[in-house]
Amino acid sequence: NAGVTQTPKFRILKIGQSMTLQCTQDMNHNYMYWYRQDPGMGLKLIYYSVGAGITDKGEVPNGYNVSRSTTEDFPLRLELAAPSQTSVYFCASSPPGLYQETQYFGPGTRLLVL
Amino acid sequence: DQQVKQNSPSLSVQEGRISILNCDYTNSMFDYFLWYKKYPAEGPTFLISISSIKDKNEDGRFTVFLNKSAKHLSLHIVPSQPGDSAVYFCAASMRSNYKLTFGKGTLLTVNP
Repeated sequence: NAGVTQTPKFRILKIGQSMTLQCTQDMNHNYMYWYRQDPGMGLKLIYYSVGAGITDKGEVPNGYNVSRSTTEDFPLRLELAAPSQTSVYFCASSPPGLYQETQYFGPGTRLLVL
Repeated sequence: DQQVKQNSPSLSVQEGRISILNCDYTNSMFDYFLWYKKYPAEGPTFLISISSIKDKNEDGRFTVFLNKSAKHLSLHIVPSQPGDSAVYFCAASMRSNYKLTFGKGTLLTVNP
């Protein structure tokens, strides 16, 4: 199993550009999450999904959109990039049931908006 | 409003000694707590967890203690090894909604 994979690893965007951060998991997990981590800060939840077709906002959703058309994929869309979106983005997944809080993280996407 | 606090940004210990990482929380509705470990340029990895019905959970060299009355938990690593050098995040959840709230992390450095 590859676990949770994220692409790209690193990207530089100009202000106003758009991009999609890709996330795929091969563990058949129902729950998937997007976090951002700013320097010296903890991870903040952007969006999450409890299954295909179901998504909901987390703590910091402004400026982002998500979709979940399959169990495996959970892409994060930035429509109009702003310098405040410079961060490291982590995708995670977890199984339903007793251990649902045990989230498995991808390696992250480092995004720089200039 | 920071609901999960890790007040020590960094900790340095000698190899073989005990490392104690601390975490405080303010939301009394949290009933499940986790520790994650993160190496540079990698995603966090799950380390150990504890339910609010317990006050201790042990897994090899790692032990987590929970003091609900003080809203405090700690992670003990004995003995510490250089490979334990990483950022450790404390996280908390309400089991009813499966979302995690993370602290800012503590950078542990274990010196040979």
